[in-house]
Amino acid sequence: QVQLVQSGAEVKKPGASVRVSCKASGYTLTTYSMHWVRQAPGQGLEWMGIINPTDGSTSYAQRFQGRVTMTRDTSTSTVYMDLSSLRSEDTAVYYCARDFAVRGVRNYFDYWGQGTLVTVSS
Amino acid sequence: EIVLTQSPATLSLSPGERATLSCGASQSLRSSYLAWYQQKPGLAPRLLIYDASNRATGIPDRFSGSGSGTDFTLTISGLEPEDFAVYYCQQYANSPWTFGQGTKVEIK
Repeated sequence: QVQLVQSGAEVKKPGASVRVSCKASGYTLTTYSMHWVRQAPGQGLEWMGIINPTDGSTSYAQRFQGRVTMTRDTSTSTVYMDLSSLRSEDTAVYYCARDFAVRGVRNYFDYWGQGTLVTVSS
Repeated sequence: EIVLTQSPATLSLSPGERATLSCGASQSLRSSYLAWYQQKPGLAPRLLIYDASNRATGIPDRFSGSGSGTDFTLTISGLEPEDFAVYYCQQYANSPWTFGQGTKVEIK
């Protein structure tokens, strides 16, 4: 069965960077694109960007451009999301979410990781 | 950026009742590119509906979606205890893909 297992919670100081990982199992990583979505405490959902694990190409939401980097390691079926210059407003649960389409992109999400809480606090 | 407005913010209903949730878009969504998700506390969202009216795999038929253009509806025909949750709509017609602020369906 498809599973996306994310790394554990992180506590970071303002200005620092964080890396969240998402390990896929139950399917071939390169068959589906992967998105990252975040959710601030008690708030709604916010799309951050997408990575195509086949070639590593990415597309980021404009508000995260310059601060976010998404990469992948096909040998371990893992995708990564790095977010830099953290501020308190970045405190949120970060989810990886698989795109619905096989070898394509539909931009909605059929499988989700369990979420990783990133807390930014001095 | 397309803004999605969900109403009501909270819906208080009893098990067995019909729930009607609305999602309005700030501009018309081409090809009805709208999805619905259910989220329970402490869990990730779960895809219910895509392309406005298609149920995702394993979703019970008491969940149905309708609408086009700027007005969309999620209907739960008879609420089961496990349906009390927060529901989000999401558009994928124009990047960045955006979500509504959610409708909480609570037990009356």
